[in-house]
Amino acid sequence: DIQMTQTPSSMPASLGERVTISCRASQGISNYLNWYQQKPNGTITPLIYYTSNLQSGVPSRFSGSGSGTDYSLTISSLEPEDFAMYYCQQYDSSPNTFGAGTKLELK
Amino acid sequence: QVNLLQSRAALVKPGASVKLSCKASGYTFTDYYIHWVKQSHGKSLEWIGNINPNSGYINYNEKFKGKATLTVDKSTNTAYVELSRLTSEDSATYYCTRGSTGAYWGQGTLVTVSS
Repeated sequence: DIQMTQTPSSMPASLGERVTISCRASQGISNYLNWYQQKPNGTITPLIYYTSNLQSGVPSRFSGSGSGTDYSLTISSLEPEDFAMYYCQQYDSSPNTFGAGTKLELK
Repeated sequence: QVNLLQSRAALVKPGASVKLSCKASGYTFTDYYIHWVKQSHGKSLEWIGNINPNSGYINYNEKFKGKATLTVDKSTNTAYVELSRLTSEDSATYYCTRGSTGAYWGQGTLVTVSS
């Protein structure tokens, strides 16, 4: 199985700050990488698919990049609603696997 | 608009089985795979497997073979996951999602295994 190492596990940040979350795959995943946001009530919101494509309705302050084994999610200017858990997922090979998550907290 | 409506929370006894549903609407059901994902409390997400509603082809995560059975009912646009021989390790929230890009997710079904 492909292991997804997501860093950091938690990140204190301030409103308006630019933040980046990283995800490293144990082998190349050919850009087959999604990003999700999860709120405390369990609701999962898709953010990015295929490394850098914004899902419909997602604000443009979210962006994704990467290639090979290294990928990242950037939020350009944090809004109050952005403080949540974030997960990466590879879907290059079965089984699809997720990172352990990053908790974005208000500093 | 696309919607995946999952069944309500379930409380089940150890050793029993439970069948969770995911009713799709707003798109052609047979055009996209349905994936199932498990999230234990406070933990990350685990991919259980996926099913092609058109062909019935199923791909399981080896970890969930023998535990989860995926099916669909094309007449009602509904996908199901049945979990068998339940233990406390199966207590979790289970999500259905549409397609590999994960553009749509159900609201999740909480399964609690307890006597």
